[in-house]
Amino acid sequence: AQSVSQHNHHVILSEAASLELGCNYSYGGTVNLFWYVQYPGQHLQLLLKYFSGDPLVKGIKGFEAEFIKSKFSFNLRKPSVQWSDTAEYFCAMNADDYKLSFGAGTTVTVRA
Amino acid sequence: DAGVTQSPTHLIKTRGQQVTLRCSPKSGHDTVSWYQQALGQGPQFIFQYYEEEERQRGNFPDRFSGHQFPNYSSELNVNALLLGDSALYLCASSLAQGADGPEAFFGQGTRLTVV
Repeated sequence: AQSVSQHNHHVILSEAASLELGCNYSYGGTVNLFWYVQYPGQHLQLLLKYFSGDPLVKGIKGFEAEFIKSKFSFNLRKPSVQWSDTAEYFCAMNADDYKLSFGAGTTVTVRA
Repeated sequence: DAGVTQSPTHLIKTRGQQVTLRCSPKSGHDTVSWYQQALGQGPQFIFQYYEEEERQRGNFPDRFSGHQFPNYSSELNVNALLLGDSALYLCASSLAQGADGPEAFFGQGTRLTVV
């Protein structure tokens, strides 16, 4: 069975601090991996995705994620956060079927 | 370019009633998926429709059913509503044969409250 776990439920940090959100998945085969963001009052938006190739992927708004196959991980990073990065972040995977399996999400609060 | 649109945005229903939620996919997309997002949790896959057929179904009871129309829009129906059905219902559209793989675009959701 596919599953995704996100390590942190709520992260609070100050502007300009670095951010890293953990994500691990459970699946033995090839996977596609995603990070989605949900800003307050808005719809889920894709931050970045990994399908194949370079395991370090860059997304929008300065975010990047690294796929480490041996660790079944796909952690999200941003070197310097802004107040506008306050949002809920979801890691998701897709394997040999059509659905996306999501983690429970991490709420990120950035203090000005 | 219109994104994914869902209606209504909010809905309050009584236990035992039936509800229909609607979704119009992003222009050019032919596949629609429905997800349930309970408070404090990630979205859970309900089912996916492609070519007007249910292509895959998640772990949801038969009370949850759907339909896809020839214009690719979709409906989610829930019968015999339970309090536990209260959630945000998300519609996601994608292109079955997209060059970018299974990338899904989400609507803003319908907030269903069952009282």
